[in-house]
Amino acid sequence: GEEVAQTPKHLVRGEGQKAKLYCAPIKGHSYVFWYQQVLKNEFKFLISFQNENVFDETGMPKERFSAKCLPNSPCSLEIQATKLEDSAVYFCASSPRASNYGYTFGSGTRLTVV
Amino acid sequence: AQTVTQSQPEMSVQEAETVTLSCTYDTSENNYYLFWYKQPPSRQMILVIRQEAYKQQNATENRFSVNFQKAAKSFSLKISDSQLGDTAMYFCAHLGGNNQGGKLIFGQGTELSVKP
Repeated sequence: GEEVAQTPKHLVRGEGQKAKLYCAPIKGHSYVFWYQQVLKNEFKFLISFQNENVFDETGMPKERFSAKCLPNSPCSLEIQATKLEDSAVYFCASSPRASNYGYTFGSGTRLTVV
Repeated sequence: AQTVTQSQPEMSVQEAETVTLSCTYDTSENNYYLFWYKQPPSRQMILVIRQEAYKQQNATENRFSVNFQKAAKSFSLKISDSQLGDTAMYFCAHLGGNNQGGKLIFGQGTELSVKP
Protein backbone atom coordinates (compact mmCIF):
# COMPACT_ATOMS: atom_id res chain seq x y z
CA GLY A 1 0.00 0.00 0.00
CA GLU A 2 0.93 3.66 -0.20
CA GLU A 3 0.79 4.35 3.49
CA VAL A 4 2.88 3.43 6.47
CA ALA A 5 0.60 1.39 8.71
CA GLN A 6 1.19 1.51 12.45
CA THR A 7 -0.66 -0.65 14.97
CA PRO A 8 -2.10 -0.30 17.46
CA LYS A 9 -3.14 3.36 17.45
CA HIS A 10 -3.33 3.42 21.25
CA LEU A 11 -1.68 1.19 23.84
CA VAL A 12 -1.98 1.35 27.61
CA ARG A 13 0.45 -0.54 29.80
CA GLY A 14 1.03 -0.73 33.54
CA GLU A 15 4.47 0.22 34.70
CA GLY A 16 6.78 -2.76 34.32
CA GLN A 17 4.74 -4.42 31.56
CA LYS A 18 5.95 -5.07 28.02
CA ALA A 19 4.79 -3.00 25.05
CA LYS A 20 5.10 -4.01 21.41
CA LEU A 21 4.41 -1.69 18.51
CA TYR A 22 4.19 -2.60 14.84
CA CYS A 23 4.93 -0.82 11.57
CA ALA A 24 4.32 -1.94 8.00
CA PRO A 25 6.37 0.30 5.68
CA ILE A 26 5.34 1.22 2.17
CA LYS A 27 6.03 -1.65 -0.21
CA GLY A 28 9.36 -1.13 -1.93
CA HIS A 29 10.74 1.23 0.74
CA SER A 30 14.11 -0.01 1.93
CA TYR A 31 14.52 2.20 5.00
CA VAL A 32 12.46 2.22 8.18
CA PHE A 33 12.85 4.75 11.00
CA TRP A 34 11.43 4.89 14.52
CA TYR A 35 10.97 8.18 16.37
CA GLN A 36 9.64 9.01 19.82
CA GLN A 37 7.60 12.19 20.37
CA VAL A 38 6.87 13.19 23.97
CA LEU A 39 3.83 15.49 24.31
CA LYS A 40 3.97 17.82 21.27
CA ASN A 41 7.70 18.24 21.52
CA GLU A 42 10.52 17.42 19.23
CA PHE A 43 11.11 14.07 17.71
CA LYS A 44 13.77 11.84 19.18
CA PHE A 45 15.35 9.42 16.74
CA LEU A 46 15.50 5.85 18.03
CA ILE A 47 16.65 3.45 15.31
CA SER A 48 16.67 2.89 11.57
CA PHE A 49 16.79 -0.18 9.35
CA GLN A 50 17.92 -0.84 5.82
CA ASN A 51 15.72 -3.78 4.91
CA GLU A 52 16.18 -6.21 7.82
CA ASN A 53 19.53 -4.82 8.91
CA VAL A 54 20.01 -2.24 11.64
CA PHE A 55 21.32 0.91 9.95
CA ASP A 56 21.64 3.33 12.85
CA GLU A 57 20.78 2.57 16.46
CA THR A 58 22.41 5.53 18.15
CA GLY A 59 19.15 6.71 19.69
CA MET A 60 18.03 3.47 21.28
CA PRO A 61 17.97 3.09 25.07
CA LYS A 62 19.50 -0.34 24.76
CA GLU A 63 18.63 -1.74 28.17
CA ARG A 64 14.87 -1.93 27.58
CA PHE A 65 14.23 -1.12 23.92
CA SER A 66 14.64 -3.48 21.00
CA ALA A 67 13.49 -3.46 17.39
CA LYS A 68 13.35 -5.78 14.41
CA CYS A 69 12.48 -5.72 10.73
CA LEU A 70 12.13 -9.26 9.44
CA PRO A 71 11.33 -10.25 5.84
CA ASN A 72 7.62 -10.53 5.05
CA SER A 73 6.62 -9.24 8.50
CA PRO A 74 5.82 -5.82 9.95
CA CYS A 75 8.69 -4.14 11.73
CA SER A 76 8.37 -4.04 15.51
CA LEU A 77 9.53 -1.92 18.42
CA GLU A 78 9.44 -3.57 21.81
CA ILE A 79 9.83 -1.98 25.21
CA GLN A 80 10.48 -4.31 28.11
CA ALA A 81 9.51 -3.22 31.63
CA THR A 82 7.91 0.06 30.62
CA LYS A 83 8.39 3.18 32.71
CA LEU A 84 6.19 6.24 33.08
CA GLU A 85 8.69 8.26 31.03
CA ASP A 86 8.13 5.94 28.04
CA SER A 87 4.67 7.50 27.59
CA ALA A 88 4.84 9.12 24.16
CA VAL A 89 3.73 8.80 20.57
CA TYR A 90 5.98 6.48 18.61
CA PHE A 91 6.22 7.19 14.91
CA CYS A 92 7.46 4.93 12.20
CA ALA A 93 8.56 6.32 8.83
CA SER A 94 9.78 4.69 5.65
CA SER A 95 11.67 5.91 2.62
CA PRO A 96 12.62 4.44 -0.75
CA ARG A 97 16.14 3.65 -1.86
CA ALA A 98 16.79 7.26 -2.80
CA SER A 99 15.92 8.77 0.54
CA ASN A 100 16.48 12.45 0.00
CA TYR A 101 12.88 13.30 -0.74
CA GLY A 102 11.78 13.07 2.86
CA TYR A 103 10.10 10.24 4.61
CA THR A 104 6.52 9.03 4.74
CA PHE A 105 5.31 8.81 8.31
CA GLY A 106 2.73 6.55 9.84
CA SER A 107 0.06 8.00 12.09
CA GLY A 108 1.83 6.89 15.23
CA THR A 109 1.10 4.71 18.24
CA ARG A 110 0.25 6.54 21.45
CA LEU A 111 1.73 4.59 24.37
CA THR A 112 0.45 5.47 27.83
CA VAL A 113 2.21 3.91 30.81
CA VAL A 114 0.18 4.08 34.02
CA ALA B 1 26.62 17.01 14.90
CA GLN B 2 23.71 18.56 13.10
CA THR B 3 21.27 20.64 15.12
CA VAL B 4 18.04 22.38 14.18
CA THR B 5 16.57 25.29 16.15
CA GLN B 6 13.10 26.76 15.99
CA SER B 7 13.02 29.77 18.28
CA GLN B 8 9.27 30.45 18.11
CA PRO B 9 7.31 27.98 20.27
CA GLU B 10 3.99 29.59 19.28
CA MET B 11 2.75 31.87 16.53
CA SER B 12 -0.66 33.15 15.54
CA VAL B 13 -1.97 34.77 12.39
CA GLN B 14 -5.27 36.07 11.12
CA GLU B 15 -6.94 34.14 8.35
CA ALA B 16 -5.84 35.31 4.87
CA GLU B 17 -2.69 36.98 6.19
CA THR B 18 0.92 35.91 5.79
CA VAL B 19 3.11 34.37 8.49
CA THR B 20 6.77 33.37 8.58
CA LEU B 21 8.16 30.59 10.76
CA SER B 22 11.87 30.67 11.56
CA CYS B 23 14.40 27.86 11.52
CA THR B 24 18.16 27.81 11.85
CA TYR B 25 20.44 24.83 11.64
CA ASP B 26 24.03 23.86 12.07
CA THR B 27 25.92 21.43 9.88
CA SER B 28 29.44 20.90 8.60
CA GLU B 29 28.23 19.35 5.35
CA ASN B 30 27.97 21.17 2.06
CA ASN B 31 25.31 18.95 0.56
CA TYR B 32 22.14 18.35 2.57
CA TYR B 33 18.37 18.67 2.50
CA LEU B 34 15.91 20.68 4.54
CA PHE B 35 12.24 20.06 5.13
CA TRP B 36 9.19 21.55 6.74
CA TYR B 37 6.64 19.11 8.13
CA LYS B 38 3.14 19.93 9.35
CA GLN B 39 1.55 18.03 12.23
CA PRO B 40 -2.15 18.85 12.68
CA PRO B 41 -4.10 17.71 15.76
CA SER B 42 -4.63 14.36 14.03
CA ARG B 43 -0.83 13.98 14.64
CA GLN B 44 -0.19 12.79 11.08
CA MET B 45 3.14 14.14 9.82
CA ILE B 46 2.71 15.81 6.43
CA LEU B 47 5.60 16.95 4.25
CA VAL B 48 5.03 20.59 3.33
CA ILE B 49 8.13 21.55 1.39
CA ARG B 50 11.66 20.38 0.63
CA GLN B 51 14.85 22.27 -0.23
CA GLU B 52 18.12 20.92 -1.62
CA ALA B 53 21.11 22.84 -0.26
CA TYR B 54 22.95 22.96 -3.58
CA LYS B 55 20.00 24.71 -5.24
CA GLN B 56 20.00 28.46 -4.77
CA GLN B 57 16.40 28.86 -5.86
CA ASN B 58 13.93 28.88 -2.99
CA ALA B 59 11.39 26.05 -3.05
CA THR B 60 7.70 26.89 -3.49
CA GLU B 61 4.59 24.77 -3.10
CA ASN B 62 1.39 26.71 -3.73
CA ARG B 63 0.90 29.00 -0.67
CA PHE B 64 4.07 27.73 1.00
CA SER B 65 7.52 29.05 0.20
CA VAL B 66 10.89 29.10 1.91
CA ASN B 67 13.62 31.67 2.35
CA PHE B 68 16.80 29.60 2.27
CA GLN B 69 19.94 31.49 3.32
CA LYS B 70 22.75 28.95 3.12
CA ALA B 71 25.52 31.16 4.47
CA ALA B 72 23.39 32.14 7.44
CA LYS B 73 22.11 28.56 7.85
CA SER B 74 18.56 29.83 7.93
CA PHE B 75 15.49 28.16 6.45
CA SER B 76 12.24 30.02 7.14
CA LEU B 77 8.77 29.02 5.97
CA LYS B 78 6.33 31.58 4.64
CA ILE B 79 2.64 30.74 4.53
CA SER B 80 0.62 33.11 2.37
CA ASP B 81 -3.17 33.56 2.52
CA SER B 82 -3.33 31.57 5.76
CA GLN B 83 -6.27 29.21 6.12
CA LEU B 84 -7.89 27.72 9.20
CA GLY B 85 -6.64 24.31 8.09
CA ASP B 86 -3.06 25.54 8.42
CA THR B 87 -3.45 25.42 12.22
CA ALA B 88 -0.87 22.83 13.30
CA MET B 89 2.58 22.19 14.71
CA TYR B 90 5.30 22.88 12.16
CA PHE B 91 8.65 21.14 12.33
CA CYS B 92 11.79 22.08 10.48
CA ALA B 93 14.13 19.16 9.73
CA HIS B 94 17.60 18.53 8.32
CA LEU B 95 18.85 15.49 6.44
CA GLY B 96 22.55 15.00 5.76
CA GLY B 97 23.37 14.41 2.12
CA ASN B 98 26.44 12.24 2.48
CA ASN B 99 24.71 9.25 3.95
CA GLN B 100 21.80 7.75 2.03
CA GLY B 101 19.12 6.73 4.43
CA GLY B 102 20.39 8.97 7.19
CA LYS B 103 18.08 10.21 9.89
CA LEU B 104 16.08 13.42 9.92
CA ILE B 105 17.03 15.83 12.68
CA PHE B 106 14.03 17.88 13.83
CA GLY B 107 13.67 21.25 15.48
CA GLN B 108 11.53 21.78 18.56
CA GLY B 109 8.45 22.78 16.58
CA THR B 110 6.33 25.91 16.26
CA GLU B 111 2.64 25.79 17.12
CA LEU B 112 0.75 27.91 14.59
CA SER B 113 -2.80 29.08 15.23
CA VAL B 114 -4.79 30.64 12.39
CA LYS B 115 -7.59 32.80 13.77
CA PRO B 116 -10.82 33.56 11.90
